[in-house]
Amino acid sequence: SAVISQKPSRDICQRGTSLTIQCQVDSQVTMMFWYRQQPGQSLTLIATANQGSEATYESGFVIDKFPISRPNLTFSTLTVSNMSPEDSSIYLCSVEESGYEQYFGPGTRLTVT
Amino acid sequence: SQQGEEDPQALSIQEGENATMNCSYKTSINNLQWYRQNSGRGLVHLILIRSNEREKHSGRLRVTLDTSKKSSSLLITASRAADTASYFCATEMTGGFKTIFGAGTRLFVKA
Repeated sequence: SAVISQKPSRDICQRGTSLTIQCQVDSQVTMMFWYRQQPGQSLTLIATANQGSEATYESGFVIDKFPISRPNLTFSTLTVSNMSPEDSSIYLCSVEESGYEQYFGPGTRLTVT
Repeated sequence: SQQGEEDPQALSIQEGENATMNCSYKTSINNLQWYRQNSGRGLVHLILIRSNEREKHSGRLRVTLDTSKKSSSLLITASRAADTASYFCATEMTGGFKTIFGAGTRLFVKA
């Protein structure tokens, strides 16, 4: 399976600032996704990161708040903009492999104070 | 929005016992996947079952899928304390590529 890394692994940020999370995959993948996991909750899909085009956002998530880049088939970034304490979560990227299994990065634990 | 609902929400068993978790979903799917998440850590992919399959095994894991009832079950046999974790089902809906997660079952295996 693909090896996925995320940076940073965790961060503590001030309200009103922005944080960009990086996701790197060790092989080329077509489908990349960003999820959020709030404390004690399940995973919620934020968006599908499309290479060469704009990301596709799920209901409740907008580009101005969560801009996503996907410059190539091995890399994506998610920015959490104008953060508030409600944005405190674990943010995870994932990839879908050719057998349709979906694998996840280790996550970025974000705390907003 | 969540596609899958899992039950029970929490399960506590003794080491050596079997653990069964159930997942129900609402729409047609391409496949269903089960994941394990240890506290505060990343997700571990356990098994994928396609919509045309009814049962799959992997080690101590057995997954069944009933598309007529839109439900799946995960059975962990001879459980160990190390199986203590949250377990999630996730479905890829027909006609799309995105995978939607259920609420999860918290399993606690007592040594």
